[in-house]
Amino acid sequence: EVQLVESGGGLIQPGGSLRLSCAASGFTVSSNYMSWVRQAPGKGLEWVSILYSGGSTYYADSVEGRFTISRDNSKNTLYLQMNSLRAEDTAVYYCANLGYCSGGSCYSGFFAYWGQGTLVTVSS
Amino acid sequence: EIVLTQSPGTLSLSPGERATLSCRASQSVSSSYLAWYQQKPGQAPRLLIYGASSRATGISDRFSGSGSGTDFTLTISRLEPEDFAVYYCQQYGSSPWTFGQGTKVEIK
Repeated sequence: EVQLVESGGGLIQPGGSLRLSCAASGFTVSSNYMSWVRQAPGKGLEWVSILYSGGSTYYADSVEGRFTISRDNSKNTLYLQMNSLRAEDTAVYYCANLGYCSGGSCYSGFFAYWGQGTLVTVSS
Repeated sequence: EIVLTQSPGTLSLSPGERATLSCRASQSVSSSYLAWYQQKPGQAPRLLIYGASSRATGISDRFSGSGSGTDFTLTISRLEPEDFAVYYCQQYGSSPWTFGQGTKVEIK
């Protein structure tokens, strides 16, 4: 069974840094496309970043240059390093697995499995 | 960037009624790379539909997706109490991946 458990959220002052973790089980992080998606309080969903199995990374314009996605294969864990945090980064951050197999075929690109989320609050 | 516009913003219906949710893209979504998610308060989103019309494992056949190009639809044939939630569409045909703003299906 695929499970994703995020941790590392909390209250941080503007300009500060925080590292989110996403511990995975039931599959291998390094063999899948993994992503972070966030949701500001009372708002919709926003894609943040993706890490491909080959190692390529991409970011939303809103976080480019401030956030870094990475993984630790030995721990089967995904990370999001967030620097220079702003009030507008306040959100629940979800990690998601984009790998999905059904009926003998496998697909990617959509967010098949989600963690429960971790809340990041940027405020002084 | 492909902008997805969902309508209506809120749909007020009674259990047993049919719900029709629309998702319109600002440009064509390649290969019908469109997904739908359901989100209940305090929970993570759940995948319902991918590839515009394929149901995810374990999703009731009350849910169906259709459409191509720029116009997509999620239909819930007969609303059950557990279906009242917020629904989001998402395109994965081009980067950046984008979501619609959501449609809330509420009990009338």
